[in-house]
Amino acid sequence: EIVLTQSPGTLSLSSGERATLSCRASQSVSSSYLAWYQQKPGQAPRLLIYGSSSRATGIPDRFSGSGSGTDFTLTINRLEPEDFAVYYCQQFGSSTAPFGQGTKVEIK
Amino acid sequence: QLQLQESGPGLVKPSETLSLTCTVSGGSITSDSNYWGWIRQSPGKGLEWIGSIHFSGNTFQNPSLKSRLTVSVDTSKNQFSLKLTSVTAADTAVYYCVRRWAESSGAFGFDPWGQGTLVTVSS
Repeated sequence: EIVLTQSPGTLSLSSGERATLSCRASQSVSSSYLAWYQQKPGQAPRLLIYGSSSRATGIPDRFSGSGSGTDFTLTINRLEPEDFAVYYCQQFGSSTAPFGQGTKVEIK
Repeated sequence: QLQLQESGPGLVKPSETLSLTCTVSGGSITSDSNYWGWIRQSPGKGLEWIGSIHFSGNTFQNPSLKSRLTVSVDTSKNQFSLKLTSVTAADTAVYYCVRRWAESSGAFGFDPWGQGTLVTVSS
């Protein structure tokens, strides 16, 4: 079973800065099956990125995803106040769909 | 616009069975490319995938829950359901129902999500 490890656990940044979030898989995964989600307090998560690099409908272009194999990255350029949240990576395996433990992006 | 809504008891006693239903509106649960799933989040914790089901009955289940888990689908009602037996306090969580959406290139994503329902296991 694939395990996803996200780092850092918490990222303290100011509005306007760039956030770089990492997701590492315990074994190689297909880029088509790697997704990222954003969750704000008291809300359900929402899909940000699918296929490791494609933005979901309505997601601003300051969000971008990249990576392959075991290392994937979510980048948020020019952080806006509404971007401070928890971000999860997730992988669609052949029979499971595990999540990473999450990275909290907080206001510095 | 596709919407999902969870329903079920908010309080379950230890050792009993947790039962939740997700009602799909704005689209058909029999769409061949979609799977329907459950994800939970314990208070203050991360997301845990529980299981997914296709309208044909094909299922995928989290190995750590498989012995206690049943996921089923009722196409006549456009609903799918979750049953988790022998619950303990560790099963206290917000439970979300989701669609596993498939893009034409073969990529997947969980979208949309229901609003979530808190289930507390307590006597």
